[in-house]
Amino acid sequence: DAKTTQPPSMDCAEGRAANLPCNHSTISGNEYVYWYRQIHSQGPQYIIHGLKNNETNEMASLIITEDRKSSTLILPHATLRDTAVYYCIVSGSARQLTFGSGTQLTVLP
Amino acid sequence: DAGVIQSPRHEVTEMGQEVTLRCKPISGHDYLFWYRQTMMRGLELLIYFNNNVPIDDSGMPEDRFSAKMPNASFSTLKIQPSEPRDSAVYFCASSTSRTSGSVGWETQYFGPGTRLLVL
Repeated sequence: DAKTTQPPSMDCAEGRAANLPCNHSTISGNEYVYWYRQIHSQGPQYIIHGLKNNETNEMASLIITEDRKSSTLILPHATLRDTAVYYCIVSGSARQLTFGSGTQLTVLP
Repeated sequence: DAGVIQSPRHEVTEMGQEVTLRCKPISGHDYLFWYRQTMMRGLELLIYFNNNVPIDDSGMPEDRFSAKMPNASFSTLKIQPSEPRDSAVYFCASSTSRTSGSVGWETQYFGPGTRLLVL
């Protein structure tokens, strides 16, 4: 599976959009981009995933560049409850997820 | 649905003792995963099952670890004998292949985890 690079930490003001970047320059054509998050002391939670096109659901939007070498997870209106570690994962199968160190997002009041 | 259920939520044991962690997947899910999370190594996949059959156990650290899934609604992860370095949070997750057209579109649902401390 392709390796991902994420900033170790980010801050965001409550109510503002949180934009979390992820680089995956070695992604192959059949690999998906998955985002999970882990709120302190809880199990990871699925957020969104995509292959080529941008995706949006009730939690977030996923923007994948045309060359697929990077992506951005967007939380449109961050709340304090969005404070968590966010994992960007690239894999050809949703059954083989390799979690890296992720980005610690802190939403500030 | 109640989600993935794990028990116990916390376990403290002494080195050398047998530890059994339990998991009940979401009803109807045909995949079950066991993960371990530590500060040093992060979140690691240990083993996963499909229709109660182990598919990939390459992440199981050593022979002291074993996992079983006797039926679709129950799985165990056993450590015998336990060692202090086994202290970690163990997560169970489940997913289904029955609602998606591609293996890439399956979502894993994680349980709350079991915090294991081996003294």
